[in-house]
Amino acid sequence: EAQVTQNPRYLITVTGKKLTVTCSQNMNHEYMSWYRQDPGLGLRQIYYSMNVEVTDKGDVPEGYKVSRKEKRNFPLILESPSPNQTSLYFCASSLSIHLMSSGANVLTFGAGSRLTVL
Amino acid sequence: GQQVMQIPQYQHVQEGEDFTTYCNSSTTLSNIQWYKQRPGGHPVFLIQLVKSGEVKKQKRLTFQFGEAKKNSSLHITATQTTDVGTYFCAGLLEGSSGGSNYKLTFGKGTLLTVNP
Repeated sequence: EAQVTQNPRYLITVTGKKLTVTCSQNMNHEYMSWYRQDPGLGLRQIYYSMNVEVTDKGDVPEGYKVSRKEKRNFPLILESPSPNQTSLYFCASSLSIHLMSSGANVLTFGAGSRLTVL
Repeated sequence: GQQVMQIPQYQHVQEGEDFTTYCNSSTTLSNIQWYKQRPGGHPVFLIQLVKSGEVKKQKRLTFQFGEAKKNSSLHITATQTTDVGTYFCAGLLEGSSGGSNYKLTFGKGTLLTVNP
């Protein structure tokens, strides 16, 4: 089944303890992106990747790191989590963000990772 | 920076009533996508509009893309309890540097609740 898989789905951690949220897709998609969702703020983009070894900042990148060493994986790293990073995180992917052909730039989302930082 | 404004933020209706959510962009969009997120779920793609003035229908849902490609709307006729969720628009903007630098920007979403 074509899907985007995130882990963990739920995590409670403490301030300063490094953590990684993994994201993997099995659709050979070039484009991958991380979003955080907070009440009243919608989906805000953290980082995105147009292809392997190509990453760029989104709208709210502070406190996060990413890497894209392989096409299928796009982990989100919180080096020193803080309580303001408590949020619901979504990973998403598409074949290619700039191709206008039908369906090519449609995002498939993972199930989400709910992170609480105490 | 590029923003996509979406209104209303919340809408509560009685089952059977109609519902509309609107998106507006300050700049021309290459296309606009609509997603639905059920409570406790993740956003799921509904439809994409590409052409100026385009109108598409999915059963009781009607999607429109403005002539200037700066605004869009989603209209649900005769809402049902299964329509409950948050509806997001997402506008695709070509970067000012040209080439293949595109950015997809989400509106903040409209939370629809339906009273049976």
